[in-house]
Amino acid sequence: RKEVEQDPGPFNVPEGATVAFNCTYSNSASQSFFWYRQDCRKEPKLLMSVYSSGNEDGRFTAQLNRASQYISLLIRDSKLSDSATYLCVVVGSYNTDKLIFGTGTRLQVFP
Amino acid sequence: GAVVSQHPSRVICKSGTSVKIECRSLDFQATTMFWYRQFPKQSLMLMATSNEGSKATYEQGVEKDKFLINHASLTLSTLTVTSAHPEDSSFYICSGSTGREKLFFGSGTQLSVL
Repeated sequence: RKEVEQDPGPFNVPEGATVAFNCTYSNSASQSFFWYRQDCRKEPKLLMSVYSSGNEDGRFTAQLNRASQYISLLIRDSKLSDSATYLCVVVGSYNTDKLIFGTGTRLQVFP
Repeated sequence: GAVVSQHPSRVICKSGTSVKIECRSLDFQATTMFWYRQFPKQSLMLMATSNEGSKATYEQGVEKDKFLINHASLTLSTLTVTSAHPEDSSFYICSGSTGREKLFFGSGTQLSVL
């Protein structure tokens, strides 16, 4: 089983739509969770951290369910510029900066 | 914000040659540098972790004699792909860490081996 699993998509949605991505992780000792965005052949860029209490940044909402080892990202009012691959990222355990990346979910927003 | 400069951005080389990829942290000291590889439509896979002044720690399945990592200073780390073959063609990317899960990625190197 992969350490971090995501639905690869692609998700093809019209502008203005709401879209949700899910991610599961296998290591219950994982401490930190992030969503990154990656455009084709570019470096990943941090989108947001994920907390158990949930956190929101504009049109983006991230949620963590530790009991189910499940992370989600919700994008409201999708824009064309949101088209990218969204990577679920988990830090393996304490005292490490080692990031474990999911395969990513591809989002394509069309006019 | 902190910047990691990665060069070259693209390399095309013949099979059997060696390729060096360089990552410099421009305005911070990267105590740790991570090197990743990403094949098309796949996730970033950690290849190795290097700490300044010590030997790199390689992930399972990554040949340390083929992928030479040098982290001689707090601002420079290099990855050398020795005797590159077509199957080594991939997107290689580094990230520097200041600790506390703060990672700053280089812009990546697309390696194509003919």
